[in-house]
Amino acid sequence: KQEVTQIPAALSVPEGENLVLNCSFTDSAIYNLQWFRQDPGKGLTSLLLIQSSQREQTSGRLNASLDKSSGRSTLYIAASQPGDSATYLCAVRYFGNEKLTFGTGTRLTIIP
Amino acid sequence: DVKVTQSSRYLVKRTGEKVFLECVQDMDHENMFWYRQDPGLGLRLIYFSYDVKMKEKGDIPEGYSVSREKKERFSLILESASTNQTSMYLCASSFSSGGVSSYNEQFFGPGTRLTVL
Repeated sequence: KQEVTQIPAALSVPEGENLVLNCSFTDSAIYNLQWFRQDPGKGLTSLLLIQSSQREQTSGRLNASLDKSSGRSTLYIAASQPGDSATYLCAVRYFGNEKLTFGTGTRLTIIP
Repeated sequence: DVKVTQSSRYLVKRTGEKVFLECVQDMDHENMFWYRQDPGLGLRLIYFSYDVKMKEKGDIPEGYSVSREKKERFSLILESASTNQTSMYLCASSFSSGGVSSYNEQFFGPGTRLTVL
């Protein structure tokens, strides 16, 4: 079964720290992996998309990496800010499948 | 910028009513999706469509149907709403992985919070 796991479910860190969010997947035959942010009661905002042929993608203070052999992706957030507080979801698209398989997310709180 | 819009942010309906949720995207995407999101269960795919008038069942299609008469519009229909369909409904769209563009990032709308009384 193709599953996506995000641990921990919740994380609190002081403002200014660098942090890493984790995502693991059970099947390495992925087409791409996408990281999203979700604010309470809102839709999902796409942060980064990594194709299966790529090792990482960067956007501003965000850097996402992909290691298919170990079934892992990480989202690195540099110099965290209170505005980064949100739930972060990773989602995997597998070959032969148009849909995304989502993890259950990590709720991040940045403490001022 | 890609824009995915949903017809309502909040909706309150009564048990047994027929409910229509509308989604429109402006990027000429082939694929459109309907998910529901519930605490502790995450996002689950209800239906998706890969072309006009084409649809496929997702993980939880029971109690729902869909309609895609135009490429930009994808409707989710609750034939007879029940209280267990109270949820956040999210629409998304993307290019097809087999299409001209290989960059098939999925974009989401703002969501519709549906309450069935």
